[in-house]
Amino acid sequence: AQTVTQSQPEMSVQEAETVTLSCTYDTSESDYYLFWYKQPPSRQMILVIRQEAYKQQNATENRFSVNFQKAAKSFSLKISDSQLGDAAMYFCASGGVTGNQFYFGTGTSLTVIP
Amino acid sequence: DTAVSQTPKYLVTQMGNDKSIKCEQNLGHDTMYWYKQDSKKFLKIMFSYNNKELIINETVPNRFSPKSPDKAHLNLHINSLELGDSAVYFCASSQAGQGAGYTFGSGTRLTVV
Repeated sequence: AQTVTQSQPEMSVQEAETVTLSCTYDTSESDYYLFWYKQPPSRQMILVIRQEAYKQQNATENRFSVNFQKAAKSFSLKISDSQLGDAAMYFCASGGVTGNQFYFGTGTSLTVIP
Repeated sequence: DTAVSQTPKYLVTQMGNDKSIKCEQNLGHDTMYWYKQDSKKFLKIMFSYNNKELIINETVPNRFSPKSPDKAHLNLHINSLELGDSAVYFCASSQAGQGAGYTFGSGTRLTVV
């Protein structure tokens, strides 16, 4: 089985500033994927960014980037130039390449302060 | 075009009733899931079907029964609803092995009164 841990239940950031959300995971899979999902108040789950574990280069999507430390099993999300629309619950998730199930962390609630 | 469509979005019902939530995906994915999100926002997997075959069946009361008539549909039927069943239920789909992640439906907020 896999476990995903998000140790920050709540975070806040000033608008236009940068914030980093932490995630650690444990897996016995040799090849796997990592994800960050965003859940705004509308409750829709939106994929923010994904990382393939065999790739050393950190994934980037516009203002969102990850710091993937494979040896430490760490996968943090950095949000640059934070906007009010970034306020949401953020979930970290992992899944094996061959498996069907993804494992989710308990989420981090991000508040953006105007 | 909605990729994963869940109906209804909201469901308010009395204890003891039976209700169903429907889910359909038009992405051609081979795997579908039901997740329950409780009041603390924790996501817990309930069931997963791959090509109509049940592959994940977590510890869920027998009152919950999934049905997958084809790989594009996964419905959830709940018998004898209880107050503790109140939650948001998400349907999701994925293509096994592709690593593209889940595509989620918009969720069904179930309130049992």
